[in-house]
Amino acid sequence: GESVGLHLPTLSVQEGDNSIINCAYSNSASDYFIWYKQESGKGPQFIIDIRSNMDKRQGQRVTVLLNKTVKHLSLQIAATQPGDSAVYFCAENIGNNNDMRFGAGTRLTVKP
Amino acid sequence: DGGITQSPKYLFRKEGQNVTLSCEQNLNHDAMYWYRQDPGQGLRLIYYSQIVNDFQKGDIAEGYSVSREKKESFPLTVTSAQKNPTAFYLCASSRGRPGSNQPQHFGDGTRLSIL
Repeated sequence: GESVGLHLPTLSVQEGDNSIINCAYSNSASDYFIWYKQESGKGPQFIIDIRSNMDKRQGQRVTVLLNKTVKHLSLQIAATQPGDSAVYFCAENIGNNNDMRFGAGTRLTVKP
Repeated sequence: DGGITQSPKYLFRKEGQNVTLSCEQNLNHDAMYWYRQDPGQGLRLIYYSQIVNDFQKGDIAEGYSVSREKKESFPLTVTSAQKNPTAFYLCASSRGRPGSNQPQHFGDGTRLSIL
């Protein structure tokens, strides 16, 4: 399939290990954040979101942490599986029209 | 199943030709968006629409046009004025009224190439 992101930061982990993917966002006034997963040749898939009044939110095997002091967002994936291999990117809502800004992403590769 | 359908998956454009990318959603979402994705870059907003018969330019609207005649449909036309149209085009929708902080959900994209 086509590569949706060349020259991206990469993270390689062993199957079963935990993964941490980081994102620095730009606007201190941003109040809503989303993590997406994008597989080759496909559209981004919503994983989890968090509002700025929260520091942490958990989903199934995923946790998002928000540090507003340093404008940093992270996605933790527990017990990483080969199917988790994809490009992951964060998005922040910078305006009142659901105007999202998207990071370029990190390529996660899971080794069996 | 509810979702967003983009067609075609692959599209080729000749010099001087306009092409139209289709986007249909059955999620009953008010807002729809078009993005362009280039290798190694974040998504860039081309146009968005919050309600039927209304749309706004995004960051890179030059060389593109849209219409929103129906809630379900938001086609994008790549005109001959767009000099570098080769990219992966993504359509999204959300429940968002302004400030609602709702996630955008994406289709599986159309890859446009120049012949």
